[in-house]
Formats: sequence, structure tokens, C-alpha cells
Amino acid sequence: ELKVEQNPLFLSMQEGKNYTIYCNYSTTSDRLYWYRQDPGKSLESLFVLLSNGAVKQEGRLMASLDTKARLSTLHITAAVHDLSATYFCAGEETSGSRLTFGEGTQLTVNP
Amino acid sequence: DVKVTQSSRYLVKRTGEKVFLECVQDMDHENMFWYRQDPGLGLRLIYFSYDVKMKEKGDIPEGYSVSREKKERFSLILESASTNQTSMYLCASSFPASGVNTGELFFGEGSRLTVL
Repeated sequence: ELKVEQNPLFLSMQEGKNYTIYCNYSTTSDRLYWYRQDPGKSLESLFVLLSNGAVKQEGRLMASLDTKARLSTLHITAAVHDLSATYFCAGEETSGSRLTFGEGTQLTVNP
Repeated sequence: DVKVTQSSRYLVKRTGEKVFLECVQDMDHENMFWYRQDPGLGLRLIYFSYDVKMKEKGDIPEGYSVSREKKERFSLILESASTNQTSMYLCASSFPASGVNTGELFFGEGSRLTVL
């Protein structure tokens, strides 16, 4: 059974600073997904990482995947207030297309 | 754009009532999922379906059932609602992950259920 752990669970940072959210998973997972959720809203897909060494970037967010270490990271560069949200990572169970989600990291970017 | 529509954004029900949550997707996705989201617990999978009339239990199926009579529609049923089923319910759909399909889930807006 795949388990996914994120840390930190809560992150308060200042605008302009850099930080990284970590996502560890317990068993082999070929794909790793990152989602964003704004308060009161649903989840929006950010990145899909399909292979070892994959790196994807969108604006101030960059995600990477190391399947050997069973680790994905979401790096935030020069944070801005608009990035305040909860970020989830999810791994795919090897038995099929179901995803297992981490607990989420609640990010607050302060002016 | 993919659209996943959940029938009710907010519901208030009484203990023991039967509750139907409906979800419709317009992208011809084979896979459909029901998750519940609770503070501190993230998203937990209740049931999922890979095809019409097929269903698989997720991690927390107790107290729930599902129905998938048509490809685009996946319903979650609470036969006798209880207070511990007060939660945000999220429906999602996807193509199976293979070839050009990444398997990413597309989520509906959510249905917030309160059971009194």
C-alpha cells in the first residue's frame, strides 16, 4: 500500500523568499502529481512527473522527482502572496490509476 | 476544458437520511473517483470505477456505496447518513495512465455535506 508524506504541513514565509516542500512516498510509484487548492475551492493540477529525474517549472514553482529516493520536491522561488494555498502531492498506486494523496502543505506568503 | 460537475455544493441532512451525491464529467474519461477531504487527513479515497457498472473499494468505503450506470456519471450514496460523514466530498475523473495520458485527475468543485 502506497503511503505519501509531505513536510512541512504548515509553511509561513515572507514574500521574496525561497522554500521547498518535500514529498516522500513509501513504495514504487511511477508517477507523481502536484495539485494546488485555494480555500473553499477544488484541486487544480499543477505538475505531472512521469519519470526519474523529471523536472517541471511553471512560473515561480518547480517540481522534481527522484524515484530512487522516493522523493519529490516542490520549490518555490521568490514567493508572492498569490501562491498562498494548500499544495498536495499524490503518487500513483502500481495496481492502477488510483492516486494516494499526502496530507497537504498549507502555504501562507506574508507581505 | 475538462468539466467535472457535482450536483450540490452544499447539503444539510439529518442523521439516518439517505444522501445522493452526483458527479458528471464531459471528457469521456474511463476512471471516476470519490474522495472525502477532512482537515488534517488530506484526501481519502472512498470508491472508484474503471468502467461502467464497475466499482472498486478505496480506503474508507464503509457507510458508502456507488453507482455507475453511464460512463459520464458516478454517484455516491450514503444509505443512512451519520454525523461522522460530515465532510467535503470531491469527485474526480481521468483517463487511465498510459501512452499520452498522464493519469492526472480532474476534480469537481466539491460537495460540502453536513449531517446533523
